[in-house]
Amino acid sequence: AQRVTQPEKLLSVFKGAPVELKCNYSYSGSPELFWYVQYSRQRLQLLLRHISRESIKGFTADLNKGETSFHLKKPFAQEEDSAMYYCALSGGYNNNDMRFGAGTRLTVKP
Amino acid sequence: KAGVTQTPRYLIKTRGQQVTLSCSPISGHRSVSWYQQTPGQGLQFLFEYFSETQRNKGNFPGRFSGRQFSNSRSEMNVSTLELGDSALYLCASSLGLAADTQYFGPGTRLTVL
Repeated sequence: AQRVTQPEKLLSVFKGAPVELKCNYSYSGSPELFWYVQYSRQRLQLLLRHISRESIKGFTADLNKGETSFHLKKPFAQEEDSAMYYCALSGGYNNNDMRFGAGTRLTVKP
Repeated sequence: KAGVTQTPRYLIKTRGQQVTLSCSPISGHRSVSWYQQTPGQGLQFLFEYFSETQRNKGNFPGRFSGRQFSNSRSEMNVSTLELGDSALYLCASSLGLAADTQYFGPGTRLTVL
């Protein structure tokens, strides 16, 4: 069964500090992993996905298959990063059965 | 391109009634997925439609059903509403290919009294 775990419901850091949002998953095959973000009063939107291997708004995430993790990191948090972050897993080829974690609310304090 | 639209945005129903929610995907997108979002359970996958066929289904009772039309627009129906069905219902569209980005609508807020 697909499962995504985000152990922290709330995370608070100061501006300029590094931030790491944790995500662990369980899946028997080769999953596709994503991070979605929801800013205040905005729609849920894609932040990044592991197959792109890109950095968006300074965020990166590395898929660690050994630890079944896909943690989201940013070296210097900004106030505008305050949002709800969801880790998500899809079963891969032609499978859009997307499972989301419970989400982590990140607050970046000035 | 216009984004994903959902109608209505807000809905109030009473227990036992049924409700139909509508989702219009981004032009060219063939996949529509539905999610239920609640404070307690978070985002839960309901089902996905691709080319008018249900391709994936989450763990929801049969009271929750959906369909997709030839223009990719999708509807979701909930029959015999229960208080616990009160939630934000989100739909998302994508091209339907592997590891696709899903584009979310604003959601329909359903309140069951």
